[in-house]
Amino acid sequence: DAMVIQNPRYQVTQFGKPVTLSCSQTLNHNVMYWYQQKSSQAPKLLFHYYDKDFNNEADTPDNFQSRRPNTSFCFLDIRSPGLGDAAMYLCATSVMNTEAFFGQGTRLTVV
Amino acid sequence: TQLLEQSPQFLSIQEGENLTVYCNSSSVFSSLQWYRQEPGEGPVLLVTVVTGGEVKKLKRLTFQFGDARKDSSLHITAAQPGDTGLYLCAGGGGGGGADGLTFGKGTHLIIQP
Repeated sequence: DAMVIQNPRYQVTQFGKPVTLSCSQTLNHNVMYWYQQKSSQAPKLLFHYYDKDFNNEADTPDNFQSRRPNTSFCFLDIRSPGLGDAAMYLCATSVMNTEAFFGQGTRLTVV
Repeated sequence: TQLLEQSPQFLSIQEGENLTVYCNSSSVFSSLQWYRQEPGEGPVLLVTVVTGGEVKKLKRLTFQFGDARKDSSLHITAAQPGDTGLYLCAGGGGGGGADGLTFGKGTHLIIQP
């Protein structure tokens, strides 16, 4: 009965090779977030969508892009992954800025 | 920019002991959430507190929201090894619109048998 689903759970990509991570939700929440979490650190917000409105954090590198074609789906595109982009990527949803529901995350490895 | 400071950052205690984790800010939050995260998984929501002074209990866990809605605490009674994990507090701002949740840096909790 997963409500926020991330695919794949584990992704290995080559240095510089574009990669896309996906997230889907069955909650019909209007806000979707992408967070990056490195080992032993708290999640760091990359960007979020409020409905179709895209909100980019000031310190999110241009290498990271996102798409939200509809309410249910959101994608994270990393145009040229570097070794420093290896991390857990978490998708979350919420109604406004209330409690967030997270997916299980995608563990990205860059080789 | 709203910041949440969590303390302690790391805590290792023996099974059966009690502990308290703190989440403090100079900003007012309309709500504050506590999450628990296990390695390799996404954070799981434990509780949301909304009203200043509110106290919520979840079995052995007691959550409190400060009167001024700037701080919160999580108290665990008789900790068990299954309580081990990363505890994160996160706050949602007031007003309209939706900003991303602000997360504290987390408290890494280890309960030793």
